[in-house]
Amino acid sequence: DAGITQSPRHKVTETGTPVTLRCHQTENHRYMYWYRQDPGHGLRLIHYSYGVKDTDKGEVSDGYSVSRSKTEDFLLTLESATSSQTSVYFCATQMNTEAFFGQGTRLTVV
Amino acid sequence: QKEVEQNSGPLSVPEGAIASLNCTYSDRGSQSFFWYRQYSGKSPELIMFIYSNGDKEDGRFTAQLNKASQYVSLLIRDSQPSDSATYLCAVDGGGGADGLTFGKGTHLIIQP
Repeated sequence: DAGITQSPRHKVTETGTPVTLRCHQTENHRYMYWYRQDPGHGLRLIHYSYGVKDTDKGEVSDGYSVSRSKTEDFLLTLESATSSQTSVYFCATQMNTEAFFGQGTRLTVV
Repeated sequence: QKEVEQNSGPLSVPEGAIASLNCTYSDRGSQSFFWYRQYSGKSPELIMFIYSNGDKEDGRFTAQLNKASQYVSLLIRDSQPSDSATYLCAVDGGGGADGLTFGKGTHLIIQP
């Protein structure tokens, strides 16, 4: 699993609250990604990072922000959670062009 | 917008037979192609990648790439019940690090 740890693994939160998901890697990979996976949509890229403090938007970035202050940590924040953000969130790192995934975080917004 | 298309299945194959999974992609600039296996409730796991036209074999798995037709396939020989999973096709953005574009996956069922 390329030493990728996501926390929390499960979370239930209320609409309108901010939520932060954490991804920690031990492989010193430069590139990190946040994806969400939903039935009927597959995996979609939210945000990615190509280095400390260097981030960019993916396909479905609205309502999300990210930060990367250290190589090993990549945080995903839902600024004001909505029910449409109920999903499974995967963090990934990339070495060359091969991506490796964390265990996932199941987020439910009620 | 880049698109990756897969038949969602389910694809049912008898144990011991060859399972054939297919994928088409829209971006001719894509250079790297990947097959991930995902068991229910688990994270995707990389099983094959291919960069060049032709076939690439690894054990019971063979990936096939035809860039002219924008077509990628995965063959699983001697299918086992443990191969039952969802298989995700993914392509890169053309050499950069801006993430992968995934298909929605094909659900494969190997019947004992």
